[in-house]
Amino acid sequence: DQQVKQNSPSLSVQEGRISILNCDYTNSMFDYFLWYKKYPAEGPTFLISISSIKDKNEDGRFTVFLNKSAKHLSLHIVPSQPGDSAVYFCAASSYGGSQGNLIFGKGTKLSVKP
Amino acid sequence: EAGVVQSPRYKIIEKKQPVAFWCNPISGHNTLYWYLQNLGQGPELLIRYENEEAVDDSQLPKDRFSAERLKGVDSTLKIQPAELGDSAVYLCASSHGGGAFFGPGTRLTVL
Repeated sequence: DQQVKQNSPSLSVQEGRISILNCDYTNSMFDYFLWYKKYPAEGPTFLISISSIKDKNEDGRFTVFLNKSAKHLSLHIVPSQPGDSAVYFCAASSYGGSQGNLIFGKGTKLSVKP
Repeated sequence: EAGVVQSPRYKIIEKKQPVAFWCNPISGHNTLYWYLQNLGQGPELLIRYENEEAVDDSQLPKDRFSAERLKGVDSTLKIQPAELGDSAVYLCASSHGGGAFFGPGTRLTVL
């Protein structure tokens, strides 16, 4: 049973527009959430994270929103650039990430078209 | 600062052969993870170390997989014997609280 779900396998966006990647989770013990970006033949790269005590965290063009009541988080990329084309993984853990394991979704492949 | 180092990057073996993967985490990172990633899937945890102690190996198939982190720094993951279904990317990651940082992975092909 998947604890972290990314229901959209792929997303295509025009350059300059907003990309919104979604993630749902089922385990109410999760209190730390992360987004990773992965290019082919490379390991996942940490992008941005959010603790459950917040509902928003922003880093440049990347913003993560957390809705705990809905057990839903999303990653917004504004403006999207062709270099953002990659597979994005949502991950979650308990205990602020320091003691728990990271549980990953299956990923969403983002394609940003020039 | 160097990232997580893994070797080899690619490995092709015949089934029933043994194989080993090596990982050197980021300096100062006490937590080390081994993940398995199949095509089209997210990484799945195999084992997590806190220093030299394996604190979670519940997902490690212990009949054929083994891992060690003897001095609490680098780690080795071994498969013996390998099966066709073991073909995947094996990722090592390390952390010091918060998010984990991944190495480039070892792509294993079992023929």
